[in-house]
Amino acid sequence: SQQGEEDPQALSIQEGENATMNCSYKTSINNLQWYRQNSGRGLVHLILIRSNEREKHSGRLRVTLDTSKKSSSLLITASRAADTASYFCATDGRETSGSRLTFGEGTQLTVNP
Amino acid sequence: DGGITQSPKYLFRKEGQNVTLSCEQNLNHDAMYWYRQDPGQGLRLIYYSQIVNDFQKGDIAEGYSVSREKKESFPLTVTSAQKNPTAFYLCASSIMGWRQPQHFGDGTRLSIL
Repeated sequence: SQQGEEDPQALSIQEGENATMNCSYKTSINNLQWYRQNSGRGLVHLILIRSNEREKHSGRLRVTLDTSKKSSSLLITASRAADTASYFCATDGRETSGSRLTFGEGTQLTVNP
Repeated sequence: DGGITQSPKYLFRKEGQNVTLSCEQNLNHDAMYWYRQDPGQGLRLIYYSQIVNDFQKGDIAEGYSVSREKKESFPLTVTSAQKNPTAFYLCASSIMGWRQPQHFGDGTRLSIL
């Protein structure tokens, strides 16, 4: 089964609002990564948070990790129309052979001008 | 500029035909990966390679084959044994295998004629 699951599946907000996406996973991890995918394009790495970190920032992005709840959240502040994309979490599971990077099914974010 | 180039962008396969998707990187990355993405879904790992002349099966390797004769190149062949090949195929690379951010190409969309 999928290691990471994003919630919600789709999110529609107005420009300037904040967007929060959540990711839950099942097994222990080494790190968790967030990626962005514009329609018809490849994924772009946004941020990596290690299992011993609780929060990380990068520009308008804020990622939190709660290993006790096996969950992470991605917050995009002051959203822009250009933030419209799908966002995926990916986990590197400690218990999986080869420490595979497993992707969730993504959250489709639409930011309306 | 360094990056990953996938070609062609669109590909059509006839019944019983093998087709090869190209992936070239000039990032000097050791590891390369092939993923399949179906509409509205996350990424599923087909094959990966962490060193030249070596590769491992991912979660959905049946009906696919790869080679890694050069560090820069990791072509994927979709064989006639893959009965449902219609999907978006993404190639990625990273430094030193797992636990590193992956860099993606812009994908190849494969359809059946």
